[in-house]
Amino acid sequence: DSGVTQTPKHLITATGQRVTLRCSPRSGDLSVYWYQQSLDQGLQFLIQYYNGEERAKGNILERFSAQQFPDLHSELNLSSLELGDSALYFCASSVGAVGYTEAFFGQGTRLTVV
Amino acid sequence: EDQVTQSPEALRLQEGESSSLNCSYTVSGLRGLFWYRQDPGKGPEFLFTLYSAGEEKEKERLKATLTKKESFLHITAPKPEDSATYLCAVEADDKIIFGKGTRLHILP
Repeated sequence: DSGVTQTPKHLITATGQRVTLRCSPRSGDLSVYWYQQSLDQGLQFLIQYYNGEERAKGNILERFSAQQFPDLHSELNLSSLELGDSALYFCASSVGAVGYTEAFFGQGTRLTVV
Repeated sequence: EDQVTQSPEALRLQEGESSSLNCSYTVSGLRGLFWYRQDPGKGPEFLFTLYSAGEEKEKERLKATLTKKESFLHITAPKPEDSATYLCAVEADDKIIFGKGTRLHILP
């Protein structure tokens, strides 16, 4: 158990809908990272938050947004969903902000868009 | 373009047969290189961080090394429980780029 909790584990929704994925980082970790993993693209970095502030942005679509709350949990919002958004979404957390350091991953949320 | 390439894509070894996995990278401003292990349906599990050329890290049957262009993950006398996908990632200029991984299968 990495200590990073993601909910829900599975999500099935229709095209055009909006969903919210939730992540609770390990106790004491201030950074949260979001990733998308699909069979053809591998693991893609989406965005990083550190202590409530956006710190780094990767290949995140404009239809996707994220935030980190004062209690350090984070949510990833996916809207206007398309079939191609079906993937595993992972959250990871680490202590620091500068330099990736040792990051711990949650078990992921499997999103299926039908 | 920043890129991380892992080879081979898949590798089957007999138990006890040592080998190496390769991760080559083309990035500017490398801050660190990371190795992860991922089991099917689970999140990646952190293994190593390497920061500079010449650095080596070891953990049980695994040893990671780093040069200016690539990293190797050496697996010595592997066991069936070492079967997994091994992912390499680099951090450069506030981006984190993962390779597509090497699927390793150790036959008993």
